[in-house]
Amino acid sequence: AQTVTQSQPEMSVQEAETVTLSCTYDTSENNYYLFWYKQPPSRQMILVIRQEAYKQQNATENRFSVNFQKAAKSFSLKISDSQLGDTAMYFCAFMKSTSGTYKYIFGTGTRLKVLA
Amino acid sequence: EAQVTQNPRYLITVTGKKLTVTCSQNMNHEYMSWYRQDPGLGLRQIYYSMNVEVTDKGDVPEGYKVSRKEKRNFPLILESPSPNQTSLYFCASSTWTGAETQYFGPGTRLLVL
Repeated sequence: AQTVTQSQPEMSVQEAETVTLSCTYDTSENNYYLFWYKQPPSRQMILVIRQEAYKQQNATENRFSVNFQKAAKSFSLKISDSQLGDTAMYFCAFMKSTSGTYKYIFGTGTRLKVLA
Repeated sequence: EAQVTQNPRYLITVTGKKLTVTCSQNMNHEYMSWYRQDPGLGLRQIYYSMNVEVTDKGDVPEGYKVSRKEKRNFPLILESPSPNQTSLYFCASSTWTGAETQYFGPGTRLLVL
């Protein structure tokens, strides 16, 4: 069975600094998708970034980028120039799309606090 | 405005009293899904649907039912709620296989006494 592990329950970073959130996963699949979702205090879930496993190039979205290491099964999120609005819970998620199933597996989350 | 709506947003009920949480999306998405969020456990998928009349179990389907009679609606049914189903529930939708961006509803907080 697939699993997603976020080993950092809580992190903090100074405003304008860079922070990296870690995520590892376990799967025997070759084709899958990885996501980072953000959940601010409003509880709304928002997609931050998405990576397709067959693409070697790391995904980037403005200040957010990932370090995707397929062999190591690692998918970390780097937030550059952290802003107060980045304060949120961040969830790493895995989704495979083979054998007719399309299930999502989420990690337990990392609570990030950006300090002024 | 593209959105996923859930009703009710908050619900307090008693053990054994059947309830339904509705979910509706206006984006013509094929894929819809239900999750529960519990402290320390993250989000866990309950059921998902690839299209009308096509549903499948997620990781924690016990005690829940779903149906997909119309493309836009995906209700979650708790036929006999128990206290361990007290949780925050999210509905989400996306195009085709779900490998694209999922759009989440605002959540439904359920308390079962």
